[in-house]
Amino acid sequence: DAKTTQPPSMDCAEGRAANLPCNHSTISGNEYVYWYRQIHSQGPQYIIHGLKNNETNEMASLIITEDRKSSTLILPHATLRDTAVYYCIVRGYGGSQGNLIFGKGTKLSVKP
Amino acid sequence: DAGVIQSPRHEVTEMGQEVTLRCKPISGHDYLFWYRQTMMRGLELLIYFNNNVPIDDSGMPEDRFSAKMPNASFSTLKIQPSEPRDSAVYFCASSSSGTGGYTFGSGTRLTVV
Repeated sequence: DAKTTQPPSMDCAEGRAANLPCNHSTISGNEYVYWYRQIHSQGPQYIIHGLKNNETNEMASLIITEDRKSSTLILPHATLRDTAVYYCIVRGYGGSQGNLIFGKGTKLSVKP
Repeated sequence: DAGVIQSPRHEVTEMGQEVTLRCKPISGHDYLFWYRQTMMRGLELLIYFNNNVPIDDSGMPEDRFSAKMPNASFSTLKIQPSEPRDSAVYFCASSSSGTGGYTFGSGTRLTVV
């Protein structure tokens, strides 16, 4: 079972920041938070991951709360091409703990 | 690198026929995963390999499903005999050891009629 809770859907205006929340209250100390997205009919695409520090790459920023029970994925300037289902996944390290178990995700709709 | 390559992209077959899906992982990746996606059940992990050895096949739905990885650059997922409820998009993904992300292929859309 997925260890995360996400809103089923969100809207965002083109050019504005999209902030996608995720709750993972049962996360353990050695588990990472991963974000993937799936654009219609394509395979899931890796976005970013983190353990406890905030992370940023060319696609997005990941903000993890100090208690690590929740996180937010930030797309700083959303475009129409960012319309997709976004999955927040808690993933351990090694063996089956390292498997990606997908939940239902958040369907983000970026509108002009 | 061309990424994870899956073939065919689309497969339509009749119930009872054997279906073989193919995957070429990214060179150097030592983990390979097979997922299935349906509207009802979302993305499900079927089986994964480490260094060509099947590690966990608990997600394989029935004995009709089998997967092999004869070498580091090739894996197959076979369904025999196929049934209409096997209709889904099947994704292959690969990754390297550690905490890196998975790279997914474009998927094979299987329709069993």
